[in-house]
Amino acid sequence: GENVEQHPSTLSVQEGDSAVIKCTYSDSASNYFPWYKQELGKRPQLIIDIRSNVGEKKDQRIAVTLNKTAKHFSLHITETQPEDSAVYFCAATGGTYKYIFGTGTRLKVLA
Amino acid sequence: DAGVTQSPTHLIKTRGQHVTLRCSPISGHKSVSWYQQVLGQGPQFIFQYYEKEERGRGNFPDRFSARQFPNYSSELNVNALLLGDSALYLCASSLGISGVETLTNTGELFFGEGSRLTVL
Repeated sequence: GENVEQHPSTLSVQEGDSAVIKCTYSDSASNYFPWYKQELGKRPQLIIDIRSNVGEKKDQRIAVTLNKTAKHFSLHITETQPEDSAVYFCAATGGTYKYIFGTGTRLKVLA
Repeated sequence: DAGVTQSPTHLIKTRGQHVTLRCSPISGHKSVSWYQQVLGQGPQFIFQYYEKEERGRGNFPDRFSARQFPNYSSELNVNALLLGDSALYLCASSLGISGVETLTNTGELFFGEGSRLTVL
């Protein structure tokens, strides 16, 4: 069935360093890949997304890359700050009605 | 503009009881989706409603049901509660069918703060 694997489950980085979170999807029909940030007790909020007709997208310190052949997509955060600490979820959807979410990555940025 | 609103925010039930969770989408959004998020996991798709019709259902038992009203608000009902139903229930709205891009809809999901259900 449809599946999205996400790694690592936890990630600790020093403030100012970069963080990379990777996801792999199984449904080749997937064409939209959003990333959500969820702070403790808060709602998931979209931080960046990418569609299958684009290989890379950047928004200030955040970037997402997509390799359709390998069915991989990754989130890159540069110059991390303490406020980047949260749980990050990747998701994939393929023109149907549901998102398939990864299991989440707990990012800790150490000051 | 108000975002997606859900009620109640927290509730405690006992096994076998019934629960109704409510959601109001962002104004102008016609689609509501429900997701279950168990602690430490990603959200799992339960239902999507668009224009008051069920457009999708995830792998959940028939104890779970939902509906969408003419004003596009929605209810999620869970019967015969089990301990394993304890979770954060997230409602999300989108302009059109979530994940489907059209000329007027990016397919983006906007989540509410959730209803945290504890079953004892």
